[in-house]
Amino acid sequence: GENVEQHPSTLSVQEGDSAVIKCTYSDSASNYFPWYKQELGKRPQLIIDIRSNVGEKKDQRIAVTLNKTAKHFSLHITETQPEDSAVYFCAASITNDMRFGAGTRLTVKP
Amino acid sequence: GAVVSQHPSRVICKSGTSVKIECRSLDFQATTMFWYRQFPKQSLMLMATSNEGSKATYEQGVEKDKFLINHASLTLSTLTVTSAHPEDSSFYICSASYLNNEQFFGPGTRLTVL
Repeated sequence: GENVEQHPSTLSVQEGDSAVIKCTYSDSASNYFPWYKQELGKRPQLIIDIRSNVGEKKDQRIAVTLNKTAKHFSLHITETQPEDSAVYFCAASITNDMRFGAGTRLTVKP
Repeated sequence: GAVVSQHPSRVICKSGTSVKIECRSLDFQATTMFWYRQFPKQSLMLMATSNEGSKATYEQGVEKDKFLINHASLTLSTLTVTSAHPEDSSFYICSASYLNNEQFFGPGTRLTVL
């Protein structure tokens, strides 16, 4: 089955800096790659997603890139703000089978 | 659109009792619903996938007799934790999907077994 690895497990940046979180997946059949933001005790919130027919997608300060050959995708957050502090999860999905990475705890210091 | 509710949000029960958690898609018909478990500071672990009217598919290591899943309609799935024990204490989250692989998550249920 699909295996998703996520790095780093923790990330601390200064407000205004950029943050990058990287994930790799094992199954080349995966075709949907969402990123979720989860605050303590709350549901994961979809912040951006990308499908296998696209290499890059951007939504304001958030961007995701996908390298199908390397089976690698990344989340980029620019101009970070304290409210970006949360745990971020990547996921890879084939049809309805979605597997999550272990998560990255992002702390943005004011 | 695509709102998923979950009830209760928090439950505390005694060891040996059973607890039922409901997951509802409020504004769409979910072809598939999913149940996840999340331990503190860990990722979401898929427990089972269920399609309306059919038996749930459980992940390896998840006891289907302990975690009973019923998906009687396109808007409701229930998870019953039978004979709960302290090690079952966790955050249980459901999600629902209706197209294009996207999953919409419920707010979660925090279960504490004393």
